[in-house]
Amino acid sequence: AQTVTQSQPEMSVQEAETVTLSCTYDTSESDYYLFWYKQPPSRQMILVIRQEAYKQQNATENRFSVNFQKAAKSFSLKISDSQLGDAAMYFCAYIDGGATNKLIFGTGTLLAVQP
Amino acid sequence: DTGVSQDPRHKITKRGQNVTFRCDPISEHNRLYWYRQTLGQGPEFLTYFQNEAQLEKSRLLSDRFSAERPKGSFSTLEIQRTEQGDSAMYLCASSLAWVGNTEAFFGQGTRLTVV
Repeated sequence: AQTVTQSQPEMSVQEAETVTLSCTYDTSESDYYLFWYKQPPSRQMILVIRQEAYKQQNATENRFSVNFQKAAKSFSLKISDSQLGDAAMYFCAYIDGGATNKLIFGTGTLLAVQP
Repeated sequence: DTGVSQDPRHKITKRGQNVTFRCDPISEHNRLYWYRQTLGQGPEFLTYFQNEAQLEKSRLLSDRFSAERPKGSFSTLEIQRTEQGDSAMYLCASSLAWVGNTEAFFGQGTRLTVV
């Protein structure tokens, strides 16, 4: 069974600084997708960034980028120039290449941004 | 269409009572997912629909749980004879099912407290 592990329950970063959130996963599939979702307090979860396993290039979305290490099954999220609005719970998630597209989530990392 | 909406946002019920939650997906989305999120955990998949057909149910979905999606539009999740262990956030997500599309849009969730 596929699993997603986030070993950092909480992280803190100073405004304008850079922070990296860690995620590892386990799968025997070769075709899959990885995601980082952001869940602000009392608001809905939104997609931050997506990585297709077949792509070697790391995904980037503005201040958000990933370090995808397929052999190590590692998928970390880097947030540059952190802003107060980045404070949220961040979930790493996985979808296999099958038909259901059901997400398998990690336990989350609560990110605090200090002014 | 402003996104996925869930109703109610909060529900407090006494143990043994039945509760029903509603999810209205983004109108053109043919897939609808239910997840459950308990404190300190990531969301866990419960079930999903493609149009009106319920295609997969997790082992987490005991026989006290039933979900429907009549006419392939909104969905309801009913819990019968609620137990304290049912206390959780119930999240709904919707997406368009086409090859390569993996993005799911989440609602704000229904927080259930069983007392």
